Amino acid sequence: QSALTQPPSASGSPGQSVTISCTGTSSDVGGYNYVSWYQQHPDKAPKLMIYDVSKRPSGVPDRFSGSKSGNTASLTVSGLQAEDEADYYCSSYAGSNNFVFGIGTKVTVL
Amino acid sequence: QLQLQESGPGLVKPSETLSLTCTVSGGSISSSSYYWGWIRQPPGKGLEWIGSIYYSGSTFYSPSLKSRVTISADTSKNQFSLKLSSVTAADTAVYYCARRDWGKYFFDYWGQGTLVTVSS
Repeated sequence: QSALTQPPSASGSPGQSVTISCTGTSSDVGGYNYVSWYQQHPDKAPKLMIYDVSKRPSGVPDRFSGSKSGNTASLTVSGLQAEDEADYYCSSYAGSNNFVFGIGTKVTVL
Repeated sequence: QLQLQESGPGLVKPSETLSLTCTVSGGSISSSSYYWGWIRQPPGKGLEWIGSIYYSGSTFYSPSLKSRVTISADTSKNQFSLKLSSVTAADTAVYYCARRDWGKYFFDYWGQGTLVTVSS
């Protein structure tokens, strides 16, 4: 299984929105509604932000939203704030208790 | 509050076996409700799922690492472990342990990570 494809970088000004894509195949992203997104600040462990494509864990601001169409999932961060500057990784279930992650997207708040 | 803590040597020689342990506090690895897994991140690169173990002892490994990986659990110590054999410099990474709920397909609790460098 290959890593999911994400753009290396994305940026936006405070208050704007940024959308990150995550492209896989019919064996992972397209085959299951089990895409999750993680936020990682420098030298920190990843933090779950979205699961099951579009669900938010308790405590995650509703500025974070997720969606999926075919083999591509997306994470949108609305109303960008300085603390949203981080790396974001998507992950998908790939069947048989296997998982695959994306290569990561660095979000910069201008 | 559930906490996971990785431990093990920070330096491993090429061709040797990398061994790490994850100590779980605030929860039991014997619970049928969870999978316990390992994920790694080479410096400056993305995350890579390594594998998981279920309370029953069933293990699941990444196809790309399967021939070199062993994950085991010690319920008496509430720990689970990772062994990666025949390491090379490409195995240099921060190694995280993490929890996944049974029937769920995401990792909700993570350890802080531990850097393992493969070098002679």
